[in-house]
Amino acid sequence: GDSVTQMEGPVTLSEEAFLTINCTYTATGYPSLFWYVQYPGEGLQLLLKATKADDKGSNKGFEATYRKETTSFHLEKGSVQVSDSAVYFCALSGNQGGKLIFGQGTELSVKP
Amino acid sequence: SAVISQKPSRDICQRGTSLTIQCQVDSQVTMMFWYRQQPGQSLTLIATANQGSEATYESGFVIDKFPISRPNLTFSTLTVSNMSPEDSSIYLCSVKGLAGQETQYFGPGTRLLVL
Repeated sequence: GDSVTQMEGPVTLSEEAFLTINCTYTATGYPSLFWYVQYPGEGLQLLLKATKADDKGSNKGFEATYRKETTSFHLEKGSVQVSDSAVYFCALSGNQGGKLIFGQGTELSVKP
Repeated sequence: SAVISQKPSRDICQRGTSLTIQCQVDSQVTMMFWYRQQPGQSLTLIATANQGSEATYESGFVIDKFPISRPNLTFSTLTVSNMSPEDSSIYLCSVKGLAGQETQYFGPGTRLLVL
């Protein structure tokens, strides 16, 4: 079945460092891909999405490109801030009745 | 995106009791889902709440343990029955189909602790 694999955390960075969180997927057909963020004590917020190959999703300085050839959707940000500290989830929506398949989540901690 | 609210936001319950969680959306949506997030874990889909018919449950989840209602296009409830400490989790509802969009949006979650 469909699945999503993320790099393990926690990831600890200094403020203004470059961030990459790797995400790869396995799916039949052409899924839509998402990054969600969960700040401490809160629910999930949609960060960005891409619905077809070579699409780039972007929001709040974060970017991810849908790479069909490598089945990847890596999250990047050029300069992280302390306020970016959160858990980041990669997810896909394929041909399974609209449900989301989530990766295991990557905790990011940004130190001043 | 829509405004999605859940009640209660958190609760502490005794084992053997049941808790009903409500999810309300401020606009009509096509699909509503219920997820569970166990401590330190990712999200797992419990079921799809179908308007006017029985919910569709994922493998490992059964109606007797997690009865779900969806009486209309803006409201759903999830009941966690005969609770045990293993049911301590965050329960989140999500919605899809706002203005024809395919993106899922999540409520703030209900934090449940079972003693």
